[in-house]
Amino acid sequence: GAVVSQHPSRVICKSGTSVKIECRSLDFQATTMFWYRQFPKKSLMLMATSNEGSKATYEQGVEKDKFLINHASLTLSTLTVTSAHPEDSSFYICSASPEYTPSYEQYFGPGTRLTVT
Amino acid sequence: GQQVMQIPQYQHVQEGEDFTTYCNSSTTLSNIQWYKQRPGGHPVFLIQLVKSGEVKKQKRLTFQFGEAKKNSSLHITATQTTDVGTYFCAGGFQKLVFGTGTRLLVSP
Repeated sequence: GAVVSQHPSRVICKSGTSVKIECRSLDFQATTMFWYRQFPKKSLMLMATSNEGSKATYEQGVEKDKFLINHASLTLSTLTVTSAHPEDSSFYICSASPEYTPSYEQYFGPGTRLTVT
Repeated sequence: GQQVMQIPQYQHVQEGEDFTTYCNSSTTLSNIQWYKQRPGGHPVFLIQLVKSGEVKKQKRLTFQFGEAKKNSSLHITATQTTDVGTYFCAGGFQKLVFGTGTRLLVSP
């Protein structure tokens, strides 16, 4: 199956700093990628849709200036958490779907656990 | 907005017992996907249902999509310890709205 990677897997940063998370599709091209946030023992909440070559589409309630998304190539999307605060601590997961997949099944990255101290 | 609820939130069974999780949407769904997330892991696609009343089987797993396309269920027959994890339903084709999830614990 298709493989999606994320880097880093874990990051600890100080309050006020910015953190960049990378999401890569390793064996397929993805014009669209999705970013989710998951709190412990909770469901996944869609944050934004990352579109290659154009602006990301953010879900209601998600601050676009705080969660910067860049999708510069067909295999890479980045999420930058700017001026991080402890409440931004969470598990961030990206997903993508190869265009050849008829059922649009999403392949998820392994996730990035962000801790803001 | 659209809400997708799952019940139960949590279930603890003995190995060999059956398990069912139910998924209910506040709106009609075009399709339903099911994912499994192991503890500490990421969601892994299990199946997609599209047609009203559709039933699909994968070995010990049986998936149903309701006639009104507003609910779905996942039934596991004779659970095994490898079935441990959280099962999520999700509506949508690419942009997914995830259900609240059901966490399954299986004791040997």
